[in-house]
Amino acid sequence: EVQLVESGGGLVQPGGSLRLSCAASGFTFTNYWMTWVRQAPGKGLEWVANIKQDGSEKYYVDSVKGRFTISRDNAKNSLYLQMSSLRPEDTAVYFCARGGYIYWAWGQGTLVTVSS
Amino acid sequence: EIVLTQSPGTLSLSPGERATLSCRASQSVNNNCLAWYQQKPGQAPRLLISGAFSRATGIPDRFSGSGSGTDFTLTISTLEPEDFAVYYCQQYGSSPYTFGQGTKLEIK
Repeated sequence: EVQLVESGGGLVQPGGSLRLSCAASGFTFTNYWMTWVRQAPGKGLEWVANIKQDGSEKYYVDSVKGRFTISRDNAKNSLYLQMSSLRPEDTAVYFCARGGYIYWAWGQGTLVTVSS
Repeated sequence: EIVLTQSPGTLSLSPGERATLSCRASQSVNNNCLAWYQQKPGQAPRLLISGAFSRATGIPDRFSGSGSGTDFTLTISTLEPEDFAVYYCQQYGSSPYTFGQGTKLEIK
């Protein structure tokens, strides 16, 4: 069974940093692009970033470029999102998803709240 | 950036009825790279349809997708109680891969 389990969310002040993790199991992690998608409270879905199987290609939505960094550790079957210079508008549930452009499986998400 | 506009915003129907959800793109979606997701409260989205009309594994055949270019439709032929949820379309033909704002399908 495919499982994606996010962790690392929480309350952070504007300008702060946070690192999200996603532990993958039930499939061959190295075969797939991986993606972070976020959902602000009561709002729709927004693609944030994705990363190629070997980490050689990474893409970001314009609003997070220069502030967020996506990475992966294939030895640990894990995906990460390092977030810095956080803004209130980054408040959202962050989902990791299997796939680079079609999201075949999703984790349950981790809530990030940016507030003073 | 391709903007996807879903209509209606809310659709009120009864179990057993047919649901038709629309997704319109601000420009043509390359190779009909259009997906549909279902999301229930407190849950992650679930992939229903990719490539505009191909059902994902395990998705019942009452769900069907159609359309091309800028106009796409998700049809649920006979609503079951578990189908009441929010539905999102997503284009993945050109980056950034964008989602529509969602259609809430509620019980009438």
